[in-house]
Amino acid sequence: EAQVTQNPRYLITVTGKKLTVTCSQNMNHEYMSWYRQDPGLGLRQIYYSMNVEVTDKGDVPEGYKVSRKEKRNFPLILESPSPNQTSLYFCASTGTGISYNEQFFGPGTRLTVL
Amino acid sequence: GQNIDQPTEMTATEGAIVQINCTYQTSGFNGLFWYQQHAGEAPTFLSYNVLDGLEEKGRFSSFLSRSKGYSYLLLKELQMKDSASYLCAVTSGNTDKLIFGTGTRLQVFP
Repeated sequence: EAQVTQNPRYLITVTGKKLTVTCSQNMNHEYMSWYRQDPGLGLRQIYYSMNVEVTDKGDVPEGYKVSRKEKRNFPLILESPSPNQTSLYFCASTGTGISYNEQFFGPGTRLTVL
Repeated sequence: GQNIDQPTEMTATEGAIVQINCTYQTSGFNGLFWYQQHAGEAPTFLSYNVLDGLEEKGRFSSFLSRSKGYSYLLLKELQMKDSASYLCAVTSGNTDKLIFGTGTRLQVFP
C-alpha cells in the first residue's frame, strides 16, 4: 500500500530535550516536506527536500533541522524543543514538481512541549 | 509575498449545494489545490486547477480564474461525511513551496 508513515504519532516532552520525528514514504517520491498546523494559522511549511541531499527552508524553519540521506526518509529534528513548538506536524511527499502533483500526507504527529 | 483568503466557517444542510471561495495574491502563479481534512486527520487531495475554468469530479467541482486570483470549491448533494475543513493552497513559479490558506470549516446538518 502506497503510504507516508510518521513516528511517533503522539509525543509529550520537556523543554530542551532533543527529539526526532521520523517520516518514510514507499512511493519513490523525490519531493518531501514537513508542515506544522496550528489553530487559526493553517498548515505552514517548515522544510522541504527536492531530492537526496537537497533540502531548503520553508516559511517557519527556526528551531528545526532536517536531513535527506535516503530517498524514502526525511526526519525532522528538534535540537532543543520549546513550548512554542507544540503543534500538529505532518510529513508529505509528492512526485517531481510540487507545483503539479498532489501531496500525500502522513497521519500526523501531535507534539506537546512542556 | 503570498496571501490566501478563505472563510473561516460555513454551515449547510444535507443534500444542499455549498460553494467555498478562495482568493489569492501571489507572484508567478502556477496552480491551485484543494484539500479536505477531517478533524484530527491528514489532508487528502481533492482537486488541482492550473487553467481557467471548471474541473468536475463527481460531487465536487473546482473553478479557477487566474485573472481575478479567485477559486471556488463546489460541493453538491452534501452528505454528513462532508463535514470537514477545506484547504486552498497555491504554488508559485519561482519557488517549490506550497502555501496553504487557513482553511474553511464546513459543518453539514441533517
